[in-house]
Amino acid sequence: EPEVTQTPSHQVTQMGQEVILRCVPISNHLYFYWYRQILGQKVEFLVSFYNNEISEKSEIFDDQFSVERPDGSNFTLKIRSTKLEDSAMYFCASSEPGAVDTQYFGPGTRLTVL
Amino acid sequence: GQNIDQPTEMTATEGAIVQINCTYQTSGFNGLFWYQQHAGEAPTFLSYNVLDGLEEKGRFSSFLSRSKGYSYLLLKELQMKDSASYLCAVRHISSGSARQLTFGSGTQLTVLP
Repeated sequence: EPEVTQTPSHQVTQMGQEVILRCVPISNHLYFYWYRQILGQKVEFLVSFYNNEISEKSEIFDDQFSVERPDGSNFTLKIRSTKLEDSAMYFCASSEPGAVDTQYFGPGTRLTVL
Repeated sequence: GQNIDQPTEMTATEGAIVQINCTYQTSGFNGLFWYQQHAGEAPTFLSYNVLDGLEEKGRFSSFLSRSKGYSYLLLKELQMKDSASYLCAVRHISSGSARQLTFGSGTQLTVLP
């Protein structure tokens, strides 16, 4: 069964450093998403991406964040200058447009900012 | 804005039936999803409702009442592996797009032997 994959599974970085989180969505899906979950808190929407551009973003997704689809398979989230409060699990999701448009989540990248 | 409420914790016995409730207030409602999340893992899709009524899928069923802003997830014949957090998520139309999910805080279900 096709699934969303993410790398790395765990990333440790120093405050102020740039990180790139990588995702490979399900191959025939056209919509891509990033969510985050701070430990013990709810899953929060960051951004959605379609047709090579951002379609929605939340207040969390400020100028420190950017997304890119550099080729036909990868979808990346870049955090330009990490802060301690960026420590969280970051989930990528993808969906195939249709009546239900279910979002399928990857296993996540645990980001720890020291 | 959107507001989603669900109980924080529930406990049930193996083989029993449990109902997890979710209430929501949202503008531009466009569907309600239930996800299961084991600790440290990704949410996995369980069910979807957009019209009023009951959707059944094996041991899991989900119900929606749009007029009451209410849904429940029913789990039958509970197994130990059902111990997990169950997330209620609402999809709503925002700025002409209808794909963003807003999640509740999750209900941590513990199944006891």
